Amino acid sequence: DIQMTQSPSSLSASVGDRVTITCRASQGISNYLAWYQQKPGKVPKLLIYGASTLQSGVPSRFSGSGSGTDFTLTISSLQPEDVATYYCQKYNSAPLTFGGGTKVEIK
Amino acid sequence: EVQLVESGGGLVQPGGSLRLSCAASGFTFSDHYMDWVRQAPGKGLEWVGRSRNKANSYTTEYAASVKGRFTISRDDSKNSLYLQMNSLKTEDTAVYYCGRLDGRYLGYWGQGTLVTVSS
Repeated sequence: DIQMTQSPSSLSASVGDRVTITCRASQGISNYLAWYQQKPGKVPKLLIYGASTLQSGVPSRFSGSGSGTDFTLTISSLQPEDVATYYCQKYNSAPLTFGGGTKVEIK
Repeated sequence: EVQLVESGGGLVQPGGSLRLSCAASGFTFSDHYMDWVRQAPGKGLEWVGRSRNKANSYTTEYAASVKGRFTISRDDSKNSLYLQMNSLKTEDTAVYYCGRLDGRYLGYWGQGTLVTVSS
């Protein structure tokens, strides 16, 4: 099975900072990569699919890039409401493996 | 508005069984693949399994960790998805979410139902 490795596992940044989260697949998955945001105590929410397509309603400060094995989620200007854990997920085929998550906090 | 509402969670002893339900509304349920995903307390997300739609013969797939113990089914006439969980282990303790697939990713999630396996 393909493994998904996220880094870092946690980060702390200031409001307005640019934040980058990396997700690496153990084998190529083309662009079958989604990013989800899970705020504390809440249900996961789809942010990005197809590695770079923003889900409707998601703020434009979020962006995704990558293809094959290496992917990035970027928050261009961190806001207090972005405090959450972010997960990548590969969906080219079952099992739909998630990355271990990246917890984002405000410094 | 798409809504997914899970129910059926609770406390069960190791080795026991439980059946979760997911009631769907606001979309044509029969058209969509549906997944179950779980999250152990304080841990990350784990995909549990999938139910494909009638056009794909209602086939199912499972994570290795639950294969042979869990069974996913659906009743399109009731707009409902089910997860039958047998031979439960303490490590199955988690919040269980149902999700609707859009394309192949999870576009919508339910609010989850907590399953606790403990003696």
